[in-house]
Amino acid sequence: GESVGLHLPTLSVQEGDNSIINCAYSNSASDYFIWYKQESGKGPQFIIDIRSNMDKRQGQRVTVLLNKTVKHLSLQIAATQPGDSAVYFCAEMVWGGSEKLVFGKGMKLTVNP
Amino acid sequence: DAGVTQSPTHLIKTRGQHVTLRCSPISGHKSVSWYQQVLGQGPQFIFQYYEKEERGRGNFPDRFSARQFPNYSSELNVNALLLGDSALYLCASSSSWDRRGNTIYFGEGSWLTVV
Repeated sequence: GESVGLHLPTLSVQEGDNSIINCAYSNSASDYFIWYKQESGKGPQFIIDIRSNMDKRQGQRVTVLLNKTVKHLSLQIAATQPGDSAVYFCAEMVWGGSEKLVFGKGMKLTVNP
Repeated sequence: DAGVTQSPTHLIKTRGQHVTLRCSPISGHKSVSWYQQVLGQGPQFIFQYYEKEERGRGNFPDRFSARQFPNYSSELNVNALLLGDSALYLCASSSSWDRRGNTIYFGEGSWLTVV
């Protein structure tokens, strides 16, 4: 069935380090992917997206890489800050007549000062 | 500009009751989707509405229903509540309805507890 999974359930890093969060997806026909950040008690916050015609996209301190061959996404956060501590989700848009997002279980990032 | 707004933020219901959750999308957005997020898991797709029509439905029972109004706001209704319906209900909006995908923004959610 459809699934988007994260390889690591938790990640602890030191402030200032770079963080890499990995994600595998299962639907090779999907062509739109989004990373979200969710802080405790809040809704998911859009970070960055990428379409399947791209391999890489950069934002402010974040980079998303897409490897369609192995169906793998990664989110790189540069110079990680305590405010980056949250649960991160990758989501795959599975078109079946709707813009349905399929989420993984999430990966908790903890940034130690 | 206001983001996606949802109400109420928290509510407690008894088994068997029904609940109505409300959502206003970002100004200019015509698509609203609903998701259920159980503690410790990622959100699960319930519905998408665009231009007042249902465009997609996830694997949820008929107790779940929704509608979209002419001003693009939306309501999610859940009847005959079960304990397992306790979750964070998220509303999301996007500018249109497109198989290429649009940026989807989420609200802060409505926390439903069924006792």
